[in-house]
Amino acid sequence: AQSVTQPDIHITVSEGASLELRCNYSYGATPYLFWYVQSPGQGLQLLLKYFSGDTLVQGIKGFEAEFKRSQSSFNLRKPSVHWSDAAEYFCAVGLIQGAQKLVFGQGTRLTINP
Amino acid sequence: ETGVTQSPTHLIKTRGQQVTLRCSSQSGHNTVSWYQQALGQGPQFIFQYYREEENGRGNFPPRFSGLQFPNYSSELNVNALELDDSALYLCASSWEDTEAFFGQGTRLTVV
Repeated sequence: AQSVTQPDIHITVSEGASLELRCNYSYGATPYLFWYVQSPGQGLQLLLKYFSGDTLVQGIKGFEAEFKRSQSSFNLRKPSVHWSDAAEYFCAVGLIQGAQKLVFGQGTRLTINP
Repeated sequence: ETGVTQSPTHLIKTRGQQVTLRCSSQSGHNTVSWYQQALGQGPQFIFQYYREEENGRGNFPPRFSGLQFPNYSSELNVNALELDDSALYLCASSWEDTEAFFGQGTRLTVV
């Protein structure tokens, strides 16, 4: 069965520091991969997606992610975080070419120190 | 362009009751999926509707049911509510099976 693991439940970084959020997936075929962000009590906003092609994908708000098939990973990065980036981040994989039937990780809560 | 809207935003129900949650898909979208997000967890896929037919279901019991209407809006119905059904229910829409755009969710509390 498909699964997504986000090893870090909570990460704290200082404003202006770089960020990397880890995501590993288990999936038998070529995955559709996504990163979503969720502010408290809100819905999910799509940051970026990978369907095929270039393994380094650019998203909104200055985020990028790299697909590494050999490591079954899709880590999210940002060179310099802003206080407004504090939120919950979810990695997700699409089921059997289903970009909407998503399996989510448990999420990583990001706290920004001033 | 109108985004995905869900109603109500919050509601409280008593165990054993039934509830209906509503979702208006984004303009131009024909596919709707529903997710349940328990506190502190990632969302879990409930089911998807495509052109008014159920098109895939997650590991949820039959008391979770849905509908999609000709205008592609959707309802999620939950019968015989249990305390563990308390969660944020998220609706997502897309054109065909491209990436999902989520609504703000409905917070359901079962007491």
